[in-house]
Amino acid sequence: DAGITQSPRYKITETGRQVTLMCHQTWSHSYMFWYRQDLGHGLRLIYYSAAADITDKGEVPDGYVVSRSKTENFPLTLESATRSQTSVYFCASSLRDSQETQYFGPGTRLLVL
Amino acid sequence: AQTVTQSQPEMSVQEAETVTLSCTYDTSESDYYLFWYKQPPSRQMILVIRQEAYKQQNATENRFSVNFQKAAKSFSLKISDSQLGDAAMYFCAYRSNYGGSQGNLIFGKGTKLSVKP
Repeated sequence: DAGITQSPRYKITETGRQVTLMCHQTWSHSYMFWYRQDLGHGLRLIYYSAAADITDKGEVPDGYVVSRSKTENFPLTLESATRSQTSVYFCASSLRDSQETQYFGPGTRLLVL
Repeated sequence: AQTVTQSQPEMSVQEAETVTLSCTYDTSESDYYLFWYKQPPSRQMILVIRQEAYKQQNATENRFSVNFQKAAKSFSLKISDSQLGDAAMYFCAYRSNYGGSQGNLIFGKGTKLSVKP
């Protein structure tokens, strides 16, 4: 039971580079989410997706792009990384609708130099 | 907009004792869910307990229970018989059942719990 996985677990990049964080879930959950976690802010929603090809912005979407061509994958792309995007990124999923509990991946720690 | 406040950045408890973590939230909605998540040093976010706003009965999961006061917009977590493995960051979270952002969790800033042997 793989559940929800994220890759890479750690990433160091430079300002201006494009970075893609991967999220994969094996539960066939409809909803998927991307959060970032920063000291003093807790977790904040970046983007979410209700189903394949349906995505919407969360609280802090600027500088990020998402896609969801397949139900099981929800990649997050930083088109031109900035130092303020140094953070820990969590992917989450929930089964059918908004009333289901969200389950989180192990997180990706990103450092932008 | 909804907000979640955890007023205790850090808490400490002796092993086998009981500790209560506080959480308050602000919302004008009546239909929502509240959660407590645990984040150990591994950084994994683990669901501890969940409460549905329309249920008056407080949720319980083994040693973990909540005191849900809807009118006061308070949602505290009680950990009984604390164990060393309970040491972690604990996040309170709110989720609305209304609007275009259904399913989105709003988190507090967390409480770091230490357990002393």
